[in-house]
Amino acid sequence: TQLLEQSPQFLSIQEGENLTVYCNSSSVFSSLQWYRQEPGEGPVLLVTVVTGGEVKKLKRLTFQFGDARKDSSLHITAAQPGDTGLYLCAGDGGATNKLIFGTGTLLAVQP
Amino acid sequence: KAGVTQTPRYLIKTRGQQVTLSCSPISGHRSVSWYQQTPGQGLQFLFEYFSETQRNKGNFPGRFSGRQFSNSRSEMNVSTLELGDSALYLCASSITSGRALSPYNEQFFGPGTRLTVL
Repeated sequence: TQLLEQSPQFLSIQEGENLTVYCNSSSVFSSLQWYRQEPGEGPVLLVTVVTGGEVKKLKRLTFQFGDARKDSSLHITAAQPGDTGLYLCAGDGGATNKLIFGTGTLLAVQP
Repeated sequence: KAGVTQTPRYLIKTRGQQVTLSCSPISGHRSVSWYQQTPGQGLQFLFEYFSETQRNKGNFPGRFSGRQFSNSRSEMNVSTLELGDSALYLCASSITSGRALSPYNEQFFGPGTRLTVL
């Protein structure tokens, strides 16, 4: 069974701070996705990383896929209250349209 | 264009009852997947429907079932509700049934139905 472990589980920081969220697995994934879920809403796709070692930037968010394609990280620079939410990594569940989600990181950015 | 809609948004049931949740995909999307989200287990795949056929099923008991109509709208049903079925049920639609992380087949999630079983 493929598992995606995220750390930390919870993170509470002040506006302007930097942070990194990790997504780790013992299995190799062909690609990984990162989602953000806000209260009362479904997850929204942020990025897909497909190549080992790949780095993608989305404004203040930087995503990296590990060289061995077993791990990924999300770095947020100068966090803002609008970044608050549940961050989820997801991998291919081995069947059509089946996503395996990570355990999640709940981020709270205090103004 | 309108996003994925789910009805109802909130539902309270008692143990032993059954419940039906509805999902309307984005116009033109033919695949609907269902997920269960709980604090303890996180987000788990329930099943996928495409062209009115169940394509895949997750590791859930037979009390969880679903169907898809010719207009791609989908319903899921949970019979003989248990306390542990309390969860946020999310559906996601995509254009077709294919590789989960394909850039050409992004899954769009609805806001979910919050089910509470008393």
